[in-house]
Amino acid sequence: GAVVSQHPSRVICKSGTSVKIECRSLDFQATTMFWYRQFPKQSLMLMATSNEGSKATYEQGVEKDKFLINHASLTLSTLTVTSAHPEDSSFYICSARHAVSYEQYFGPGTRLTVT
Amino acid sequence: GQQVMQIPQYQHVQEGEDFTTYCNSSTTLSNIQWYKQRPGGHPVFLIQLVKSGEVKKQKRLTFQFGEAKKNSSLHITATQTTDVGTYFCAGWGSNDYKLSFGAGTTVTVRA
Repeated sequence: GAVVSQHPSRVICKSGTSVKIECRSLDFQATTMFWYRQFPKQSLMLMATSNEGSKATYEQGVEKDKFLINHASLTLSTLTVTSAHPEDSSFYICSARHAVSYEQYFGPGTRLTVT
Repeated sequence: GQQVMQIPQYQHVQEGEDFTTYCNSSTTLSNIQWYKQRPGGHPVFLIQLVKSGEVKKQKRLTFQFGEAKKNSSLHITATQTTDVGTYFCAGWGSNDYKLSFGAGTTVTVRA
């Protein structure tokens, strides 16, 4: 149990285009999901907290208009990187918090490369 | 928010030996969670500790939460090559529900 899927696993896009990443909790409900960014050999940097049915809360320094988050249901959150630039290239990982246990489970991540 | 510090950053271990990684918070934590991330992979949930002084074991892994709920440790006995990876601790503060991650301890094993 407690499986989180993330799609796509890898994406290469051209500068200026937008990319949507989906995060799903497959076998549990997650009222809260989190989006992280991880640079090579570094820890996870929280970008935003996504709550089902309400607006996402962004961490300081994260542009909400650039990283659009939608948490449409108890099992799905999406992150859209708008007008992507090469500096947006990174490993994006979502995480879903179990509504009962509060344990937090991570998706497999999406490696984004912007050319 | 709270700051979570983790030491050591790197741990080179001879196969069969034991090692410990430590996690310290600047403030009291509501709980602490431990994760393992293999190279090229994503963080995998290992365990959650909630109670002061709590100790939990998973085979060769022993997790401990300090009495003051400001520190935690992960002790691995008889290290194996499968233990290679980066171990992260992450904790919630008393007033928020966001995990603050330590920098991680990257473990390599000499056969």
